Amino acid sequence: NAGVMQNPRHLVRRRGQEARLRCSPMKGHSHVYWYRQLPEEGLKFMVYLQKENIIDESGMPKERFSAEFPKEGPSILRIQQVVRGDSAAYFCASSPFERGAYTDTQYFGPGTRLTVL
Amino acid sequence: GDSVTQMEGPVTLSEEAFLTINCTYTATGYPSLFWYVQYPGEGLQLLLKATKADDKGSNKGFEATYRKETTSFHLEKGSVQVSDSAVYFCALFTGGFKTIFGAGTRLFVKA
Repeated sequence: NAGVMQNPRHLVRRRGQEARLRCSPMKGHSHVYWYRQLPEEGLKFMVYLQKENIIDESGMPKERFSAEFPKEGPSILRIQQVVRGDSAAYFCASSPFERGAYTDTQYFGPGTRLTVL
Repeated sequence: GDSVTQMEGPVTLSEEAFLTINCTYTATGYPSLFWYVQYPGEGLQLLLKATKADDKGSNKGFEATYRKETTSFHLEKGSVQVSDSAVYFCALFTGGFKTIFGAGTRLFVKA
C-alpha cells in the first residue's frame, strides 16, 4: 500500500510565476490536509478537503492560494504570483473516514520544497 | 485557541544518554496527543500517540504519557542512538479537522 505521494519534491519558481503542488492520498483515504512549514518552524495548517469539497480553509492566505481535491485525480495546491515569502516546505496528509467517524491520525507525504527566486 | 509548546532545541546528547523532550498543551475538550519525527529532507512520521488521560504511547523505545492534570505529553527514551537524530514534533488533534503542531525540537546524538 503506497503512502501519501507528493510531486514534485522540489520546485523552483521566479517571483510572479505560478506553483502547482500535487498530492495523492493513501489508497482508501478520502480526506486531504495541506500544511506549510517555514524554515526552522513547525507545521501550520492550511486547508482540509474531502473529494470535491473544501471543509476548512481557515489557514489559507486570503489571496493567491487555492486548493482543490477533484473527484478524479490528486489534490492540487495552487499558488499564484509567488513571492519570496512563499518559499517553504508544503506537506500533504491524508486520513480515512472509517465506520462513520473521523480518525485522528494523519499520514504525511514527503513534502514539496518550494524555492522562490 | 488550542496550542502546543515544546522545549526549544537543539538538544545534543551522547549515545546511550537519557532523552526527555518536554511538551505541554492548551486545548478545549479532550484532544488526542501525538509525537511525530522528521528526518532530514523527509516528511513527518508518526512516532506514537495517546488518545485519553493516563494513556501511554510507545514505539521504538520512545514513550510518552498523557497527563491531563499537568496538560503535558513529554517524550522520553532511555538510551538514544545516533540514528535518533531528527526533529521531533509534539502535536494535538481536537476533532476540528486539523492537527496543531509545536515548533519542533531538533535532537543531535553524538557517537
